[in-house]
Amino acid sequence: GQQVMQIPQYQHVQEGEDFTTYCNSSTTLSNIQWYKQRPGGHPVFLIQLVKSGEVKKQKRLTFQFGEAKKNSSLHITATQTTDVGTYFCAGPNSGYTLNFGKGTSLLVTP
Amino acid sequence: GAGVSQSPSNKVTEKGKDVELRCDPISGHTALYWYRQSLGQGLEFLIYFQGNSAPDKSGLPSDRFSAERTGGSVSTLTIQRTQQEDSAVYLCASSPLGAKMFFGEGSRLTVL
Repeated sequence: GQQVMQIPQYQHVQEGEDFTTYCNSSTTLSNIQWYKQRPGGHPVFLIQLVKSGEVKKQKRLTFQFGEAKKNSSLHITATQTTDVGTYFCAGPNSGYTLNFGKGTSLLVTP
Repeated sequence: GAGVSQSPSNKVTEKGKDVELRCDPISGHTALYWYRQSLGQGLEFLIYFQGNSAPDKSGLPSDRFSAERTGGSVSTLTIQRTQQEDSAVYLCASSPLGAKMFFGEGSRLTVL
């Protein structure tokens, strides 16, 4: 079945440094979603990408969907301590269910 | 309520006991999902309900797990004869069909 893999599993940065997490799917995706989970919290939707090569920005966050629609990335510019958490990508499986990657845990130290 | 509500927030049970976890989705959301998250792990799909259609049970790990959704709203996830490996956070999410998912705070299950 379809699998979604994320790297790295963990990332520790100093505040102000950039951060990137990568997501790869074993199959072509119709869309990809990104979620953020703060420590002790629940996943919260960030964005959905649908088009091949799509790039979307949310303040310091830049999301990309690959040309082949099999990979995606999330880049954070000048990280802040509020960016701490685990970032998940998710692709549709069968029907409307989502297959989540294992996530990238980001730790930001001041 | 304004968001997805789950209860109980914490449940400690003994091995072999049955547990029920409840999810109250956002009003009007036709899709409801259950996921499981073990400590430091990703989200494991369990079951999906959409309107009056037959649920997608393909993620249920064993026949000890079952779920129902009454009246297209509240859902209950039941785990029979709990085992220690069932310990995890059980997350419920709802969404309008095909749109972003709204997660509840989760029910943390500990099986002793």
